[in-house]
Amino acid sequence: DVKVTQSSRYLVKRTGEKVFLECVQDMDHENMFWYRQDPGLGLRLIYFSYDVKMKEKGDIPEGYSVSREKKERFSLILESASTNQTSMYLCASSSATATNEKLFFGSGTQLSVL
Amino acid sequence: ILNVEQSPQSLHVQEGDSTNFTCSFPSSNFYALHWYRWETAKSPEALFVMTLNGDEKKKGRISATLNTKEGYSYLYIKGSQPEDSATYLCAPQDGNNRLAFGKGNQVVVIP
Repeated sequence: DVKVTQSSRYLVKRTGEKVFLECVQDMDHENMFWYRQDPGLGLRLIYFSYDVKMKEKGDIPEGYSVSREKKERFSLILESASTNQTSMYLCASSSATATNEKLFFGSGTQLSVL
Repeated sequence: ILNVEQSPQSLHVQEGDSTNFTCSFPSSNFYALHWYRWETAKSPEALFVMTLNGDEKKKGRISATLNTKEGYSYLYIKGSQPEDSATYLCAPQDGNNRLAFGKGNQVVVIP
């Protein structure tokens, strides 16, 4: 069964902490994405990557950075967590070569910043 | 950022009834239209990816149509069952390979 695995389901951090959210996929997908979901809003794209060591800003990259050192792993980094980064974070991956590039999602990380 | 509108935002459906909802999106720079189902405490799962004007896709009791010229897609659920309760996300994909998600259609099927 293909999988996108996010390291934590729930996470509680303090303001100012550096936070790492990890995502691993086992489908050899080239594309990986980080979204956040907030009540009343659609999924918003934070960062994405089309290849190892490559990254592109999404629609709301401020306060975040990413790392893609290996093809299967895409990490989201909150350099100094703030309360407005409390949210559900979803990682997704897709194939660059499939005829329809549907996204495969992880189960999400609910992050609370106190 | 594409402006994606899904309506209605929330609906309650009696078990056995059929229902449908709408996704509207800008028709310019269109590449594909994705539908995902997101059940509580689970990951969003892809239902359909459609690219051609007039496309119609079906998966069990769920089907979708696409009008790329006027920028809308309909999702239909025939004979709703409690397991259809979920949020249905629409996401047009542009020519730069980016998806823009709507707020979703939250469906509650009442037994």
